Amino acid sequence: DAGVTQSPTHLIKTRGQQVTLRCSPKSGHDTVSWYQQALGQGPQFIFQYYEEEERQRGNFPDRFSGHQFPNYSSELNVNALLLGDSALYLCASSLLPGQGGDTQYFGPGTRLTVL
Amino acid sequence: GNSVTQMEGPVTLSEEAFLTINCTYTATGYPSLFWYVQYPGEGLQLLLKATKADDKGSNKGFEATYRKETTSFHLEKGSVQVSDSAVYFCALSDRTGGFKTIFGAGTRLFVKA
Repeated sequence: DAGVTQSPTHLIKTRGQQVTLRCSPKSGHDTVSWYQQALGQGPQFIFQYYEEEERQRGNFPDRFSGHQFPNYSSELNVNALLLGDSALYLCASSLLPGQGGDTQYFGPGTRLTVL
Repeated sequence: GNSVTQMEGPVTLSEEAFLTINCTYTATGYPSLFWYVQYPGEGLQLLLKATKADDKGSNKGFEATYRKETTSFHLEKGSVQVSDSAVYFCALSDRTGGFKTIFGAGTRLFVKA
């Protein structure tokens, strides 16, 4: 049973560029969430996708956007990169609570460095 | 809003020592509570969970009990190993406006041989 997978593993960009990160959820899961983990801190919720729509969003600017595909995989896009966007980006998958899901399973993350 | 507070690290122990990492939470309703572990250079792994008051989650020798009266979920292990060196995150499920996980800041554990 494949867990959550993410690509790429590492990424280096310069300020002002745009980046796309990808995630495939755990088999059987239909809900994907994205988190940003700055160095030495706990993960912070960015947004969540279900049925190809954004269900809820954390306190992140519109430069952060996403997409979910019919196969439940997801992308995180960040425009106009800032130095402060350097972080580990984690994807998590789950079922909705109404379907018995209250646990999120995390992928290995994508390490983004902005120079 | 909902939040999690956990003891600051780093915590440094000798092998076979007893481990306690304190965690308290603030939440409306009855969230599920979790401990996640992050090994160097890796993502988060679910270590254990508890879904209601007085439940005890356990895994790999680690335990934590959901204490509603003290709003706590302290992580314990009777005898730590060098391989337990990692960052431990206490977390809760937040169902307000949908569903997401709220994390504490993490506690780094170093175990010396």
